[in-house]
Amino acid sequence: RKEVEQDPGPFNVPEGATVAFNCTYSNSASQSFFWYRQDCRKEPKLLMSVYSSGNEDGRFTAQLNRASQYISLLIRDSKLSDSATYLCVVNRAGGFKTIFGAGTRLFVKA
Amino acid sequence: GAVVSQHPSRVICKSGTSVKIECRSLDFQATTMFWYRQFPKQSLMLMATSNEGSKATYEQGVEKDKFLINHASLTLSTLTVTSAHPEDSSFYICSARDTDSNQPQHFGDGTRLSIL
Repeated sequence: RKEVEQDPGPFNVPEGATVAFNCTYSNSASQSFFWYRQDCRKEPKLLMSVYSSGNEDGRFTAQLNRASQYISLLIRDSKLSDSATYLCVVNRAGGFKTIFGAGTRLFVKA
Repeated sequence: GAVVSQHPSRVICKSGTSVKIECRSLDFQATTMFWYRQFPKQSLMLMATSNEGSKATYEQGVEKDKFLINHASLTLSTLTVTSAHPEDSSFYICSARDTDSNQPQHFGDGTRLSIL
């Protein structure tokens, strides 16, 4: 079992749809959490950090449930430009290890 | 936001050539930098973790004599692919993180390496 697991995807949604991505992590010592997006043939870019209290940035909402070791990303009112691969990323406590999920591909169609 | 500069962005060279890639953190001090490789339609694969002033830590299966990493300052790490062969062709991406391990990594633009 991978340390960080994501929905396999791909997700194909129409413009304006709401889409949710799930991610689970197995190492209870994980201490910080992030969502990145990666466009084809480009580097990953930080989308948002994820906090226990939940946080929102425009159309994007991230949630963290430490008890269940579960992270989510909700995208509302999807745009064509949201099409990308979304990576769930976890930093382990006490060291320099960062674990990347395999990513979930999103296609938003007109 | 934090900026990481990677150079060059594209390299095409003959088999047997050694290629050096630079990664710079422009507006913060990065005690830790990471080097990744990504093949088409595959996930990022961590190659090594580079700590300023000490030897890099390589992931299993990554040859340290093939992929030389130097992290001589808090703003610069270099990856040298020695005697590159066609199978080394890939997208190489560096990232850097601030001293606080709670912070996210910030990625360079990546280097697309093609060995003929």
